[in-house]
Amino acid sequence: KAGVTQTPRYLIKTRGQQVTLSCSPISGHRSVSWYQQTPGQGLQFLFEYFSETQRNKGNFPGRFSGRQFSNSRSEMNVSTLELGDSALYLCASSLNLNRDWETQYFGPGTRLLVL
Amino acid sequence: EDKVVQSPLSLVVHEGDTVTLNCSYEVTNFRSLLWYKQEKKAPTFLFMLTSSGIEKKSGRLSSILDKKELFSILNITATQTGDSAIYLCAVNYGGSQGNLIFGKGTKLSVKP
Repeated sequence: KAGVTQTPRYLIKTRGQQVTLSCSPISGHRSVSWYQQTPGQGLQFLFEYFSETQRNKGNFPGRFSGRQFSNSRSEMNVSTLELGDSALYLCASSLNLNRDWETQYFGPGTRLLVL
Repeated sequence: EDKVVQSPLSLVVHEGDTVTLNCSYEVTNFRSLLWYKQEKKAPTFLFMLTSSGIEKKSGRLSSILDKKELFSILNITATQTGDSAIYLCAVNYGGSQGNLIFGKGTKLSVKP
């Protein structure tokens, strides 16, 4: 079974631009979560989608948004990029994270550098 | 405020040593505690613990959860250089701010 895939793997943008990252979950997984990982803050939860609906949201500004398609693929968008948005963005999928026995499987991440 | 705290933040050992990594948590509506190993990019799943006092084992790695004292430990025996990684602890809870809250990780370096 193929794992979680993320595209692109690396991205360089300048301040003020916007960016869209893509995540394809493991086949059959319906929950997709996004995380931002930085050396200072560690892994921080952005949002979770399940069946095309945002089910949970972390403490990030409205510049960060996402969506999920009917095939469970998900995209996240960051508008008006700031230097502090430079990070590794990880996507993780699971069957349904709201179940106690569920765990998430992570993709390789997209490394975003904002100049 | 919900939080997960890992200690130590970093650790350097020699091959063959045994290490214990700690994770304490304060969350509402606890569901499970997870350990991940992150070497270069994607964290890879190690263990999920939901019940107190039941040890999970996988080769040289083992983990146990204490729900009364709100902590978990990850043990690695006979460490190898391939164990060098960041070990992440996360708690799955039912809060409104998301399902998983992560600690900042323990960076383990195993020297030959």
